[in-house]
Amino acid sequence: KNQVEQSPQSLIILEGKNCTLQCNYTVSPFSNLRWYKQDTGRGPVSLTIMTFSENTKSNGRYTATLDADTKQSSLHITASQLSDSASYICVVSERGSQGNLIFGKGTKLSVKP
Amino acid sequence: GAGVSQSPSNKVTEKGKDVELRCDPISGHTALYWYRQSLGQGLEFLIYFQGNSAPDKSGLPSDRFSAERTGGSVSTLTIQRTQQEDSAVYLCASSKGLAEYNEQFFGPGTRLTVL
Repeated sequence: KNQVEQSPQSLIILEGKNCTLQCNYTVSPFSNLRWYKQDTGRGPVSLTIMTFSENTKSNGRYTATLDADTKQSSLHITASQLSDSASYICVVSERGSQGNLIFGKGTKLSVKP
Repeated sequence: GAGVSQSPSNKVTEKGKDVELRCDPISGHTALYWYRQSLGQGLEFLIYFQGNSAPDKSGLPSDRFSAERTGGSVSTLTIQRTQQEDSAVYLCASSKGLAEYNEQFFGPGTRLTVL
């Protein structure tokens, strides 16, 4: 069964610190992997999209990595800000699925002053 | 507007009533998706529309759920005879083409509460 598992479920860090969120998936065949940021009460917003051949991609202070062999991805946030407080969702697309993306349950990040 | 819009933002209804949720996708986006997000759960795929093709309804949880997309633009998700377990945030997303290859843009969602 195609699944996307994220860890930790929640995380609290101090402003200015770095953190890393994890995503493991069993989706096969693999097409691409995305990380989304979802603020409370808002829809998810795309941070990065990586295909099989890409193993790292950055978007400002966000850096995603992908190991397609071990089916793992991480999202590293550098120098966290209060505005980074949100849920971060890992999403995997199955090749040939045409549109049915598989969403993880998300990691809820709280950045405290 | 520049983004995906949804209405209403909040809907409270009584068990057994019908509800309609509306989604206005980004102009020119041929693909439109509906998802359901329950508390503490990941987004659950419901249905998607791509151009003039027949919609993929494989995610609809029961025959109480239906959706249509008129004129390749606005979409309406209808839930008949609502049940308490239908309470969730319903998210709509659109993309230039199929989501497998294109970035999805999400609306703010409609929070449905069934009493």
